[in-house]
Amino acid sequence: GAGVSQTPSNKVTEKGKYVELRCDPISGHTALYWYRQSLGQGPEFLIYFQGTGAADDSGLPNDRFFAVRPEGSVSTLKIQRTERGDSAVYLCASSLRGDSSYEQYFGPGTRLTVT
Amino acid sequence: GNSVTQMEGPVTLSEEAFLTINCTYTATGYPSLFWYVQYPGEGLQLLLKATKADDKGSNKGFEATYRKETTSFHLEKGSVQVSDSAVYFCALKDTGGFKTIFGAGTRLFVKA
Repeated sequence: GAGVSQTPSNKVTEKGKYVELRCDPISGHTALYWYRQSLGQGPEFLIYFQGTGAADDSGLPNDRFFAVRPEGSVSTLKIQRTERGDSAVYLCASSLRGDSSYEQYFGPGTRLTVT
Repeated sequence: GNSVTQMEGPVTLSEEAFLTINCTYTATGYPSLFWYVQYPGEGLQLLLKATKADDKGSNKGFEATYRKETTSFHLEKGSVQVSDSAVYFCALKDTGGFKTIFGAGTRLFVKA
């Protein structure tokens, strides 16, 4: 079946602009995660959704970052007033449920470059 | 806070050599431990996991044992292949939590 998909695969934007990154999880997966991966580093947790609600958003770096999952499926990560330091690969993952028993399946990522 | 430390790479080995990638962690309680792998041009995928002390996770010839006394989860493989060349990430997830904490990754190169 289809895996986790993310669009766009690459996004170049100017400093100060607004961007939206989309994640389509595996059908039926109730848990969805966003991570940010900077060059040479491991993924850094941003936010976790169980269904439509953000159960843990403690990883969002500041209030310029926001994510939604209105129907419990597709999720959008929104970044306002982008800064050069936001440049990274943004990864989405989904799992059947949120606890450790269930494997997280990762998407290919969106590479964001802020110029 | 919780953290994962893994050995810096790159690690370069010849085919059929023995592999160890060290990983230690800091966490409260009893986290679940994971190794993820990222092959060139592919997405991150789970390699193996262990959910309690003394558990051994294994997959594709790789093994790691959850050692609570040394807070370690070292990855081992007896005989590596060129196709094992990838970046390997050690990670933990808190008991009852949903946040996964990753190490910085270790790049492995295997030469024929």
